[in-house]
Amino acid sequence: AQSVTQLGSHVSVSEGALVLLRCNYSSSVPPYLFWYVQYPNQGLQLLLKYTSAATLVKGINGFEAEFKKSETSFHLTKPSAHMSDAAEYFCAGGIQGAQKLVFGQGTRLTINP
Amino acid sequence: AAGVIQSPRHLIKEKRETATLKCYPIPRHDTVYWYQQGPGQDPQFLISFYEKMQSDKGSIPDRFSAQQFSDYHSELNMSSLELGDSALYFCASSLGRVSLAGLYYEQYFGPGTRLTVT
Repeated sequence: AQSVTQLGSHVSVSEGALVLLRCNYSSSVPPYLFWYVQYPNQGLQLLLKYTSAATLVKGINGFEAEFKKSETSFHLTKPSAHMSDAAEYFCAGGIQGAQKLVFGQGTRLTINP
Repeated sequence: AAGVIQSPRHLIKEKRETATLKCYPIPRHDTVYWYQQGPGQDPQFLISFYEKMQSDKGSIPDRFSAQQFSDYHSELNMSSLELGDSALYFCASSLGRVSLAGLYYEQYFGPGTRLTVT
């Protein structure tokens, strides 16, 4: 069975500071991993995805994530936070041939001026 | 680009009533998924359909049923509504894609239907 764990339900950073949102997965088979962002009262928007092609994945809005098999991690980073990055971020995982996504608990990112 | 469309966006029902949520996938996508997101919770997978056949099932209550029609739109039917059914219901659609390691599904989510049961 696969599970996804996000460390830290709330993360607060200053505008311009590094953003680091943590995600670890547990899977017996190579996973596919995704980061989604959810703005208040809106749907889930795909930020980036890992599909075994490259371990460092670049997404939209300046975000990137690195798949580290040895650490079973897929942390999301952005070098410089912007006020518009304030949202809820979900890490999600799937396994080959399986359709459903398993989501982490979510991390609420707050940006301080 | 066309996105996933869900209707209605907001729905208020009373306990024991029924509700029907509709989802229109991105054109040419063949798979539809339903997720339920309770207040402050992560989305939980309910059910999915591929080419009009149920393809996977998650924690969907027996009071709920769903189907995918010939035009690929899907409907989630919810009966005997309970207060705990109040949530944001997402529909997602995908087209199977092949990577170096095999088949995966890149899901695109609709804006959700917020169901409030009073």
